[in-house]
Amino acid sequence: RKEVEQDPGPFNVPEGATVAFNCTYSNSASQSFFWYRQDCRKEPKLLMSVYSSGNEDGRFTAQLNRASQYISLLIRDSKLSDSATYLCVVEDAGFQKLVFGTGTRLLVSP
Amino acid sequence: GAVVSQHPSWVICKSGTSVKIECRSLDFQATTMFWYRQFPKQSLMLMATSNEGSKATYEQGVEKDKFLINHASLTLSTLTVTSAHPEDSSFYICSARNLETGGHTEAFFGQGTRLTVV
Repeated sequence: RKEVEQDPGPFNVPEGATVAFNCTYSNSASQSFFWYRQDCRKEPKLLMSVYSSGNEDGRFTAQLNRASQYISLLIRDSKLSDSATYLCVVEDAGFQKLVFGTGTRLLVSP
Repeated sequence: GAVVSQHPSWVICKSGTSVKIECRSLDFQATTMFWYRQFPKQSLMLMATSNEGSKATYEQGVEKDKFLINHASLTLSTLTVTSAHPEDSSFYICSARNLETGGHTEAFFGQGTRLTVV
């Protein structure tokens, strides 16, 4: 079983749509959780951290369920510029290594 | 956010030659640098973790004699792909963090190096 699993997609949605990505992780001792965004042939960039209480940043909402070892990302009112690959990332118990999921590709069309 | 500069952004080399990739943290002290490799449509796979002044810790399946990592200062780490072969063609990305502060600290990524071995 992979340490971090994501649906690779692609998710094809029209502008303005709401889309949700899910992620599961296998190591229950994992400490921190993140969503990164990666554009084609570019480096990943931090989108947001994920907290148990859930957190929101504009159109983006992230949620963590430690009991189920499940992380989600919700994007509301999708923009063309949201088209990218969204990487679910889990930090190990030692706050050292980041483990990346394979990413979920999002394509927002006009 | 902090800036991590990776160089070169792309390189084409002949099979059997060696290629050096540099990763510099420009405005913070990177106690720890991570080197990743990403094949098309795949996830970033951690190759090794290097702490300043120490030998790198390699992930299982990564040949330490082939992928030489040097982290001699708090602002510079290098990855040398020795005797490169076409199967080494990939996207190599470094990440820098300061782990002395404890707890989680953000990881900053270099721009990546696209290596093509012909």
